[in-house]
Amino acid sequence: NAGVTQTPKFRVLKTGQSMTLLCAQDMNHEYMYWYRQDPGMGLRLIHYSVGEGTTAKGEVPDGYNVSRLKKQNFLLGLESAAPSQTSVYFCASTDPSNQPQHFGDGTRLSIL
Amino acid sequence: EDKVVQSPLSLVVHEGDTVTLNCSYEVTNFRSLLWYKQEKKAPTFLFMLTSSGIEKKSGRLSSILDKKELFSILNITATQTGDSAIYLCAVNRGTGTASKLTFGTGTRLQVTL
Repeated sequence: NAGVTQTPKFRVLKTGQSMTLLCAQDMNHEYMYWYRQDPGMGLRLIHYSVGEGTTAKGEVPDGYNVSRLKKQNFLLGLESAAPSQTSVYFCASTDPSNQPQHFGDGTRLSIL
Repeated sequence: EDKVVQSPLSLVVHEGDTVTLNCSYEVTNFRSLLWYKQEKKAPTFLFMLTSSGIEKKSGRLSSILDKKELFSILNITATQTGDSAIYLCAVNRGTGTASKLTFGTGTRLQVTL
């Protein structure tokens, strides 16, 4: 029962480097989401997808790109990392029928 | 602007106490309100509320929604140290296929012996 799996779990980057965070779900969910969680800010939606090949911007999309080439995978990319992107990133998935979102364990990203 | 506000921000209680956590909201296109518990890693789902006045219950935890006054409460009775966590309130909003969650900042609960 893997559910939602995020890789990597931890990463340290230097300013200007790029990287991709991977989210994989095995529940055949249509909807997938990327959030960031910062102290005192709660979880904020970065991008989301309502199906394979579709993506949309959330509340805080600047500096990030996403792709959903396969239904089970949702990738979050940072093209040129900045210290302001230091955060814990969570992926979630759900069905369209107003069901709860299921979350992965998060990726802790530090940018120096 | 959509807004979800939780109170208190943090709380320290003794084991066996009863606690009430609050969540108020102002969002467009309300669909449901959800409560999650977050320990060290992933938020885990507790309750989803869609109708006013109907209590949802699971063991020592219960929750209720008031759609007229735009708030929800989460009650935990006979608290245990394992209840120590951040409790997140989120509102599911959106029309059509755009189902999105707006989160509050959470209430950090610490239960001491």
